Amino acid sequence: DAGVIQSPRHEVTEMGQEVTLRCKPISGHDYLFWYRQTMMRGLELLIYFNNNVPIDDSGMPEDRFSAKMPNASFSTLKIQPSEPRDSAVYFCASSSSPGLTGPLHFGNGTRLTVT
Amino acid sequence: GENVEQHPSTLSVQEGDSAVIKCTYSDSASNYFPWYKQELGKGPQLIIDIRSNVGEKKDQRIAVTLNKTAKHFSLHITETQPEDSAVYFCAASIRIGNQFYFGTGTSLTVIP
Repeated sequence: DAGVIQSPRHEVTEMGQEVTLRCKPISGHDYLFWYRQTMMRGLELLIYFNNNVPIDDSGMPEDRFSAKMPNASFSTLKIQPSEPRDSAVYFCASSSSPGLTGPLHFGNGTRLTVT
Repeated sequence: GENVEQHPSTLSVQEGDSAVIKCTYSDSASNYFPWYKQELGKGPQLIIDIRSNVGEKKDQRIAVTLNKTAKHFSLHITETQPEDSAVYFCAASIRIGNQFYFGTGTSLTVIP
């Protein structure tokens, strides 16, 4: 299995631009999570999906952030408009049964820099 | 919600020595405790996990212990090697809600 695949690995953009991060979960996993990692705040859960349906988006910082999961093999996290404080590493993770019989499987992240 | 505290934030050990990282949690409903290793430029990778019905689990040089009464769990790495150098995260999960609560991480350096 290729694991969780994220793209791009690095993204540098200017303030005000739209940014789209992409994730392909492990096949067969029905839970998908988006996390943000910064030195100051550590790993923060932004949103998670179960069977392509958003379950908890209380961690999404503000309306500039949105996430979709149009099918079981693809999810996007969009920031529009982007701001310098959005600079962080964004991780996607998937699981077959989080906290029950299996852990989270993380991708290698997208490092976002907003100038 | 759950609160997970992790100590120490940094740890340096000589190659061959043992390393211990400790975490405490607040919610007695937490029942699953994974440990992740994160190397530079990569995502966190699971190295060992333990469930609330078990007190200890070992996998070669890595072991995790859980004290449910005191609400703390620890990661033990024996015979450390330079490739063990990384950031380690503990986490706690509650069955209901599918939420993982992560510690703040421990940067481990193994000195050759």
